[in-house]
Amino acid sequence: ELKVEQNPLFLSMQEGKNYTIYCNYSTTSDRLYWYRQDPGKSLESLFVLLSNGAVKQEGRLMASLDTKARLSTLHITAAVHDLSATYFCAATPSNTGKLIFGQGTTLQVKP
Amino acid sequence: GAVVSQHPSRVICKSGTSVKIECRSLDFQATTMFWYRQFPKKSLMLMATSNEGSKATYEQGVEKDKFLINHASLTLSTLTVTSAHPEDSSFYICSAPVTGVEKLFFGSGTQLSVL
Repeated sequence: ELKVEQNPLFLSMQEGKNYTIYCNYSTTSDRLYWYRQDPGKSLESLFVLLSNGAVKQEGRLMASLDTKARLSTLHITAAVHDLSATYFCAATPSNTGKLIFGQGTTLQVKP
Repeated sequence: GAVVSQHPSRVICKSGTSVKIECRSLDFQATTMFWYRQFPKKSLMLMATSNEGSKATYEQGVEKDKFLINHASLTLSTLTVTSAHPEDSSFYICSAPVTGVEKLFFGSGTQLSVL
């Protein structure tokens, strides 16, 4: 059974600082997703990582995937207040579109 | 790009009533849709897989008689919460995969509050 674990679950950081969110998954997954969720809202797709060594960047966020270690990371560079949100990673047990989510990491960026 | 439309966005109902939530794929055909549930400050849990023209597949622990799913067309899946109780209050989100597209598209979610 596929399980996904994120850490940390809560992250409070100052603007301008860097930090990394980690996502471990327990069994093989075809791909790894990262989403952002603002309070009361649905999910906003950030990244889809398809293969070992994949790295994608968008603005201050960069995601990577190591399928051998079953680990994905979401790196935040020079955080700004607008990045405050909850970030979820999700894996899929097969290429079905069915997602198993991590617990979520709530990021709070302080001015 | 592909869009998944979900309605209503918010429902407040009395205990014992049934509530229907709709999920539509607006510019693509979705033979499969997924329904998730999210409790406050928690993660999303897959409830069921909705299959066009056939019965839904429910995850372990999800009551299929409680959460009725119908996928009668290639663009519409519905989730009906029957005889709702306060413990059914939650945020419900649907999603649909698009063939050949990496991303998965999510509806805007429905906040259900049962009084």
